[in-house]
Amino acid sequence: DQQVKQNSPSLSVQEGRISILNCDYTNSMFDYFLWYKKYPAEGPTFLISISSIKDKNEDGRFTVFLNKSAKHLSLHIVPSQPGDSAVYFCAASVQNYGGSQGNLIFGKGTKLSVKP
Amino acid sequence: DSGVTQTPKHLITATGQRVTLRCSPRSGDLSVYWYQQSLDQGLQFLIHYYNGEERAKGNILERFSAQQFPDLHSELNLSSLELGDSALYFCASSVGTGTYNEQFFGPGTRLTVL
Repeated sequence: DQQVKQNSPSLSVQEGRISILNCDYTNSMFDYFLWYKKYPAEGPTFLISISSIKDKNEDGRFTVFLNKSAKHLSLHIVPSQPGDSAVYFCAASVQNYGGSQGNLIFGKGTKLSVKP
Repeated sequence: DSGVTQTPKHLITATGQRVTLRCSPRSGDLSVYWYQQSLDQGLQFLIHYYNGEERAKGNILERFSAQQFPDLHSELNLSSLELGDSALYFCASSVGTGTYNEQFFGPGTRLTVL
């Protein structure tokens, strides 16, 4: 049973436009959400995060929105650039999961292609 | 470069064999996490070590085991390999164990079981 779902395997956007990547989760115990970006042949790289006590976090061109009632978060990239082309993973963290804190539950990822 | 190193980069082996994947965390990081990324799957958490002690287990098979050594590097041992074990294996490190400690990922080891 997937606790973190990214229902769009891919997304294509024109350079300069907004990219919106979506993520849904099922576990109401999640209290911290993250987005990771992954280029081919590299490990995931942390992009931006949001705590469950907030509904928005912004860092430059990247903004994450959290809707707890809908168990939904989204990543907005404005304006999109060709260098943003990568796979984006949504992840969530559960306090005291298995006696530990901090291990991440990942979605399957969305491949973003930004066309010049 | 995240500062996390993983060796080998690629590994090709046969079913039934045993392999060891190695991870060196960033300098100063005490936590090491192992994740598996199979085809069409997101990263699945396997196991977490902190300062030499196992802290949490996720979807790790009994044929798999891990340890973290006094110098803080970690090894993931995979035995009785099956075709379905073919995947990318990532390790990540962080300073502590808490939710808000950013995890830095290595480049991964691609395991192919033939």
